[in-house]
Amino acid sequence: SQKIEQNSEALNIQEGKTATLTCNYTNYSPAYLQWYRQDPGRGPVFLLLIRENEKEKRKERLKVTFDTTLKQSLFHITASQPADSATYLCALSDNSGGYQKVTFGTGTKLQVIP
Amino acid sequence: NAGVTQTPKFQVLKTGQSMTLQCAQDMNHEYMSWYRQDPGMGLRLIHYSVGAGITDQGEVPNGYNVSRSTTEDFPLRLLSAAPSQTSVYFCASRFDNVITEAFFGQGTRLTVV
Repeated sequence: SQKIEQNSEALNIQEGKTATLTCNYTNYSPAYLQWYRQDPGRGPVFLLLIRENEKEKRKERLKVTFDTTLKQSLFHITASQPADSATYLCALSDNSGGYQKVTFGTGTKLQVIP
Repeated sequence: NAGVTQTPKFQVLKTGQSMTLQCAQDMNHEYMSWYRQDPGMGLRLIHYSVGAGITDQGEVPNGYNVSRSTTEDFPLRLLSAAPSQTSVYFCASRFDNVITEAFFGQGTRLTVV
């Protein structure tokens, strides 16, 4: 069966360090993968998208890698700040009947400690 | 530009009651969807729409109905609420079917007692 696993329900990291979040998937062949940020009581907010033929994508302090052989994406936040504390969701595309469904992982809650 | 607007933000229902969760977007997006989010389960797709007049079922459609009479609106109807439908509901929209980000509403926290 299809599965998306975000390792670690929670991750605590010291301010200034690099946070690395993992997204593993099985039985998917996603055309692309996205990362979202969700704050308590709010809807997810899009951060980055990476296509299957891209190895790495960067946006300011964020970096995403996508390894379709390992079926894994890594999400890095460099020079982390307390304001980066949130839950981060990975999402995979799933082309079913021509409609690109997006399936979400359960998320990793990141806490950046001052 | 309001984005995706959901109402209400909070709702308590008694078992067996019906209600409609409203979702509206002002971005002229063709694709809209409803998710529910439960602890440890992630976001699960309930129903989706690829344009006005066209809807289809997602992963967990039972107990819910949708319609899409306009591009802007995509209401979700609970026909006869059950405690298992206690959840946080999110509406999302995106521009097209290819590789675009989804925009989410603020969510509706529903409790069925």
